[in-house]
Amino acid sequence: AQSVSQHNHHVILSEAASLELGCNYSYGGTVNLFWYVQYPGQHLQLLLKYFSGDPLVKGIKGFEAEFIKSKFSFNLRKPSVQWSDTAEYFCAVRGPSSNTGKLIFGQGTTLQVKP
Amino acid sequence: DGGITQSPKYLFRKEGQNVTLSCEQNLNHDAMYWYRQDPGQGLRLIYYSQIVNDFQKGDIAEGYSVSREKKESFPLTVTSAQKNPTAFYLCASTAGGRQGDYGYTFGSGTRLTVV
Repeated sequence: AQSVSQHNHHVILSEAASLELGCNYSYGGTVNLFWYVQYPGQHLQLLLKYFSGDPLVKGIKGFEAEFIKSKFSFNLRKPSVQWSDTAEYFCAVRGPSSNTGKLIFGQGTTLQVKP
Repeated sequence: DGGITQSPKYLFRKEGQNVTLSCEQNLNHDAMYWYRQDPGQGLRLIYYSQIVNDFQKGDIAEGYSVSREKKESFPLTVTSAQKNPTAFYLCASTAGGRQGDYGYTFGSGTRLTVV
């Protein structure tokens, strides 16, 4: 079955620390990859996405992610987190056989940044 | 402003009752989706619809029903057959279009509690 796995369920960091959230997926072939963020009390919103080309993609608010095809991974990174980055982060994958736009989401990672 | 409106924001249901969650979009999007969000499980797809008068089951469709009589509306009914309906329900839409370019717009969600 198609699946997406996020390694960390709850991460606590101090401001200015570096962040890396892991995401692995179980598809073969071409995939589209996404990271979404849900700030407290707000809608889910897109952080960044990868479809093709440069495997290092940059998103909003200083986030970036690297697609490593050989490892089936799409890890999210930020060099220096801020208190305002406190949120829940979701990795999502659209598989190669899907022509429906249907996304498969990971379990989510809650990030808490201490001021 | 274009977007997705979900109502109500909070909903309480007695056991054995059916309830309907509303989702309306004014983005002229073709595809609409219903996800269920539970702590530690991420978002799981309940139903989706790519076009008016057509919809498909997602991964956890049992105990739910939908309709798509109008492009802008995709209501979800949680029936008494759903064994564990207490959850946060998210509606999303996407324009589709170019294959692979499936950016979702999410609603603000409905929190359903069975009492």
